[in-house]
Amino acid sequence: DSGVTQTPKHLITATGQRVTLRCSPRSGDLSVYWYQQSLDQGLQFLIQYYNGEERAKGNILERFSAQQFPDLHSELNLSSLELGDSALYFCASSVGSGGVGDTQYFGPGTRLTVL
Amino acid sequence: AQTVTQSQPEMSVQEAETVTLSCTYDTSENNYYLFWYKQPPSRQMILVIRQEAYKQQNATENRFSVNFQKAAKSFSLKISDSQLGDTAMYFCAFMKLTSGSRLTFGEGTQLTVNP
Repeated sequence: DSGVTQTPKHLITATGQRVTLRCSPRSGDLSVYWYQQSLDQGLQFLIQYYNGEERAKGNILERFSAQQFPDLHSELNLSSLELGDSALYFCASSVGSGGVGDTQYFGPGTRLTVL
Repeated sequence: AQTVTQSQPEMSVQEAETVTLSCTYDTSENNYYLFWYKQPPSRQMILVIRQEAYKQQNATENRFSVNFQKAAKSFSLKISDSQLGDTAMYFCAFMKLTSGSRLTFGEGTQLTVNP
């Protein structure tokens, strides 16, 4: 158990809908990262928050957004869902913002299925 | 941009034997970390080992060790005394040592340990 929690474990929804994925980092970690794992794209970095502020952005679609709250938990919002958004979404956390000594620990993931 | 390549999509090994997984990367950075993560059938992403590019000594963690060749940009993982529980997808990952850094993953190598 990495100490990173994600809810829900599974999510099934329809095209055009909106969902929210939730992540709680390990105790003491200030950074939260979101990754998408799909069959055709592999593991792709989406976005990072550090202590409530956006720190880095990757291949995140405009239909997707995220935030980190004062208690450091993070939410990833996916809207206008398409079939191609079906994937495993991972949250990871680390102590710092990505410098020396930083290692990312992953949550169990949320499997999103868009029908 | 960084790229990570794992040229072995699948490998198999007999229980108790040794296997080496390959990874090469491309970067113009001098300071970075390299990681191996494993993803068993449960789909959890589990950290196996970390190597700091500024350290010449190869990292080891119990039965897992790496062969880090900085000039060649090569980072292989050796698993000794393979166990059935080592069956998993193994991902090589690169991280720059800068604020806001993300993990860049290879395509993965599916390792099967046979009894």
